[in-house]
Order: sequence, then structure tokens, then C-alpha cells
Amino acid sequence: QEKVQQSPESLIVPEGAMSSLNCTFSNSASQSIWWYQQHPGKGPEALISIFSNGNKKEGRLTVYLNRASLHVSLHIRDSQPSDSAVYLCAVSMLNYNQGKLIFGQGTKLSIKP
Amino acid sequence: DPKIIQKPKYLVAVTGSEKILICEQYLGHNAMYWYRQSAKKPLEFMFSYSYQKLMDNQTASSRFQPQSSKKNHLDLQITALKPDDSATYFCASSRGQNTLYFGAGTRLSVL
Repeated sequence: QEKVQQSPESLIVPEGAMSSLNCTFSNSASQSIWWYQQHPGKGPEALISIFSNGNKKEGRLTVYLNRASLHVSLHIRDSQPSDSAVYLCAVSMLNYNQGKLIFGQGTKLSIKP
Repeated sequence: DPKIIQKPKYLVAVTGSEKILICEQYLGHNAMYWYRQSAKKPLEFMFSYSYQKLMDNQTASSRFQPQSSKKNHLDLQITALKPDDSATYFCASSRGQNTLYFGAGTRLSVL
């Protein structure tokens, strides 16, 4: 069974600084890795995904994937108070059906003005 | 306007009773899912449907039964409710293998 671990559990970052979140997964046969944002009382919302080794940038978000070390990280540049939320890392597997994602327990990010 | 509607938003039930959680999506997606999020566990996959057919069931208990009466509906019937069933249940949808879109969830409390 695939396992997804996120660190840290919680993170406090000053407004305007870089936020860095980490995720490790247990199976190198994972297909894509997703990052979701979840605000209190809301459903998760997809932010960015990555399949290939290396990095991917979208706006203020950059994600780095290293399949050899089974590690992916999300970096949020110029963090804003509206970025305060729980961030979920999720992995899809090649031999799983569509839409089945394995989620980590989340990192709670708080941006301090 | 929300494109995935889940009803009700909050639900309180007594142990042993039966409840139905409603989900409708207006994104034109062919695949729909149920996920569960409880206090101490990560978001957990339960079921997936594609074109109204069950594709995957990761729920060990038969007390959980998805029902798809229309292509954009996927309800979840839960029978013989237990306190351990207390959680937030999220409906999601996607077009094929693409991004999953989640509803706002139904928070179920079983007393």
C-alpha cells in the first residue's frame, strides 16, 4: 500500500517570504504527484501536479520531484495571508483506476502579516 | 456558483440509523468519486464511478452503498451508522484521468 508522508505538520511563515513544504512517497511506480489546498470548511482544490523528474513552475508555485529519493516539495514564493490553508500532497498510481489518489496527512501553513 | 453540490452540509445521526448523502456535479464530468476525511486520518478514497458504473470500491463495509440515478449524480447511502463513521464525506469528479474537483463536503456526526 502506497504511503504518503508530509512535513512539517505545521508551518508559520512571514508575509512575503518563501514557504517550503515536503512530501515523501513509498513507491517509485507512482504516476503523478498532486498538491491540493484546503481552506477550513471547504473541499480540497488542486494547485499543481508533476509527473517527470525535475521542477515545474506555475505563478508563485514551484514543485520539485526527485523520483530516486521518492521526494517532492512545494515552494510558494512571496507568501500571502490568503495562502494560509492546509496543503495536501497526493499520489496517483499507474495500476490504480482513474481518480484514486493517496493523500498525505497535510501541512497546515499560516502566513503572518 | 459551486459546480459540485453536496447536501446536506451538516448531518447528525443516531447510532444504528441510515442516512443518504447527496452529490450532484455540473462540470460535465464522466467520473465521480467519494472520499472520506476523519479527524485523525488523511483524506481516504472510498469509491469511483465512471459513466454510472462502479469502477473501484475500497470500502471494506457493505454498509456504504453508492447510488447513481443520473450521470451527474452519485449519492452515498450509509446504513447501521456507527460513531466511527463520523467524518466529512467529500464527493469529487473528473474528466477521465484529469484533475479531481471536490465538493465542499458533508460533515456527518454519529451520536
